[in-house]
Amino acid sequence: DVKVTQSSRYLVKRTGEKVFLECVQDMDHENMFWYRQDPGLGLRLIYFSYDVKMKEKGDIPEGYSVSREKKERFSLILESASTNQTSMYLCASNLSGVRNQPQHFGDGTRLSIL
Amino acid sequence: AQSVSQHNHHVILSEAASLELGCNYSYGGTVNLFWYVQYPGQHLQLLLKYFSGDPLVKGIKGFEAEFIKSKFSFNLRKPSVQWSDTAEYFCAVSTSGGYQKVTFGTGTKLQVIP
Repeated sequence: DVKVTQSSRYLVKRTGEKVFLECVQDMDHENMFWYRQDPGLGLRLIYFSYDVKMKEKGDIPEGYSVSREKKERFSLILESASTNQTSMYLCASNLSGVRNQPQHFGDGTRLSIL
Repeated sequence: AQSVSQHNHHVILSEAASLELGCNYSYGGTVNLFWYVQYPGQHLQLLLKYFSGDPLVKGIKGFEAEFIKSKFSFNLRKPSVQWSDTAEYFCAVSTSGGYQKVTFGTGTKLQVIP
């Protein structure tokens, strides 16, 4: 079974801090994704990566960056955290090149910026 | 760009009632359609998916969905809900080709009363 592991379930940081959210998948998936989930807004794509060292902006990339140095790991970075980045962050992965591949999600990181 | 609309934000049903959650998408080309479920405190998981063939798709836990191309709809149904179906349900659409960008709806919270 696919396992997507996010490093923290809950995280509290202060405004202006640099924040790292880590995600690891164990199924050799090419694609990895970072979403934020907010009540009434559903899931919004921040960034995705389709290969090592490759990244593409999603719908709401402002204030975020990502890193993919190894195939199994995809990091989300908040360069200077702000209170409007308080949210639930979800990591997902799936196979590339095969139509209709569902995404496999981690448990999420609930991030609070004070 | 594709978009997804879920009309019901919060649905409350008694056990054994029938369920239908609406989902409409806008995209002119070929799409893949998904319903995901998020039980309280758990990660998102796939309920069912459709990309071709029989437009009536059966998923896990007695759920089914019908793709009606002329209406751009993919509504989720269950004949008789249980308390354990209390969860948030997300409709999602991806396009064929490339990395298959996925767009999620805003979600529907279902509360089943015993």
